[in-house]
Amino acid sequence: AQSVSQHNHHVILSEAASLELGCNYSYGGTVNLFWYVQYPGQHLQLLLKYFSGDPLVKGIKGFEAEFIKSKFSFNLRKPSVQWRDTSDYFCAVEPNFGNEKLTFGTGTRLTIIP
Amino acid sequence: GAVVSQHPSRVICKSGTSVKIECRSLDFQATTMFWYRQFPKQSLMLMATSNEGSKATYEQGVEKDKFLINHASLTLSTLTVTSAHPEDSSFYICSAEEGPDTEAFFGQGTRLTVV
Repeated sequence: AQSVSQHNHHVILSEAASLELGCNYSYGGTVNLFWYVQYPGQHLQLLLKYFSGDPLVKGIKGFEAEFIKSKFSFNLRKPSVQWRDTSDYFCAVEPNFGNEKLTFGTGTRLTIIP
Repeated sequence: GAVVSQHPSRVICKSGTSVKIECRSLDFQATTMFWYRQFPKQSLMLMATSNEGSKATYEQGVEKDKFLINHASLTLSTLTVTSAHPEDSSFYICSAEEGPDTEAFFGQGTRLTVV
C-alpha cells in the first residue's frame, strides 16, 4: 500500500517569501500525484496534479510542484506567497492503475504573516 | 470546476442515535464516490468507495454495519452513522468522480459531534 509523508506540519512565512512544502511518498509502482488546498470552511480544491510527462507541473494560484522520481518526492513551491495563501495543504498519491484510491499526507498548515 | 455538495455541514446528535450525511454531485454524474474521515491535525482517511448501484467497498478496520453507505443514483451517495457514539465525532468528507482517471471533486465536509 502507498503512504505519503508531509514533514512540515506548520509553516509560518512572511508575505513575499518563497515557499516549499515537502511531500514524499512510498509505493512500488508508478503513481499519480496531487496537491490540494483546503481553505477554512471550504472543500478541498485541487492545486495541481502530475500524471506523466514534464516533472515540473504548474498549477493554479501561482503554485508549482516538481516530481523527482529518484527521491519519491513531489514538493510544492511558490516563489512569492501572499496572505491569502494561508491555508492547509495536502499532498496525495494514487497508483497509476488498478486501485485508484487517493492516499493523503497529514497536511501542512501554512500561515502567512502580512 | 464541478461542484459536490455535502449536507449538513454541521450536526450534533445524541449518543445512540443515527445520522445521515448526503453527498451530491450537482453538475455531473458520479459513477464513484468516496467517503473520508479526518481527525484533527491528521490526514484524510479513506473509509469506503461506492459505485452507483453496487455495494460499497470498505477499507480495513471500517465497520460496514456502523457506517452504512448507499449510492442509489449517479448524483447522490449517503453515509449513515448508526448508533453514533462520542468516538464517532469527526469531520467526514465525500468526493465524487465521473469515471476512472478523472478528477475527484470534494464536498465541503460535515462536522459530526456526538454528545
